[in-house]
Amino acid sequence: AQSVTQLGSHVSVSEGALVLLRCNYSSSVPPYLFWYVQYPNQGLQLLLKYTTGATLVKGINGFEAEFKKSETSFHLTKPSAHMSDAVEYFCAALSGGSYIPTFGRGTSLIVHP
Amino acid sequence: DAGITQSPRHKVTETGTPVTLRCHQTENHRYMYWYRQDPGHGLRLIHYSYGVKDTDKGEVSDGYSVSRSKTEDFLLTLESATSSQTSVYFCAITWENTGELFFGEGSRLTVL
Repeated sequence: AQSVTQLGSHVSVSEGALVLLRCNYSSSVPPYLFWYVQYPNQGLQLLLKYTTGATLVKGINGFEAEFKKSETSFHLTKPSAHMSDAVEYFCAALSGGSYIPTFGRGTSLIVHP
Repeated sequence: DAGITQSPRHKVTETGTPVTLRCHQTENHRYMYWYRQDPGHGLRLIHYSYGVKDTDKGEVSDGYSVSRSKTEDFLLTLESATSSQTSVYFCAITWENTGELFFGEGSRLTVL
């Protein structure tokens, strides 16, 4: 069965510093990969996705993620953290032919002034 | 916006009472899902549906039942609520072409 691992339930950065949120999946066949963001008291919203094609995917608010098949990873990055980025992020994978995604447990980003 | 509404948004109930949460969508998506979100556990799938009267269990289905008599409505029922079912419940639909999910705003349930 597919599994998704997000390293670190909390990640702390300074404002203006690089943001790196890690996500690894377990499937030997590259799945569709997603990053979702959750603002307080709201449902998850899609930040970016990888399906096929270009392995570097750009999303909203300056975030991007790179699919690395050799590392089975889909890490989320942003060059410069902003205070408004301090919310929760979820990585998810969807295996081909399935409509049941597997979610990581989430990473809460903390941004220090 | 995928036109998903959940009701009620907040509910407080007592142990042993039945509770039904409703998810309504306006765009005729085939797949609908119910998740619960708890600190330290992330999102966990309760049940999902792939069409009218077609439903299946997720990883935490014990104590929950669902029904889908119309494409637009997916109901989650707790037959006899327990304190362990205190949680935030999210409904979602998927765009089949891309696999991405769209979530409702959540229903916060407290079982006393």
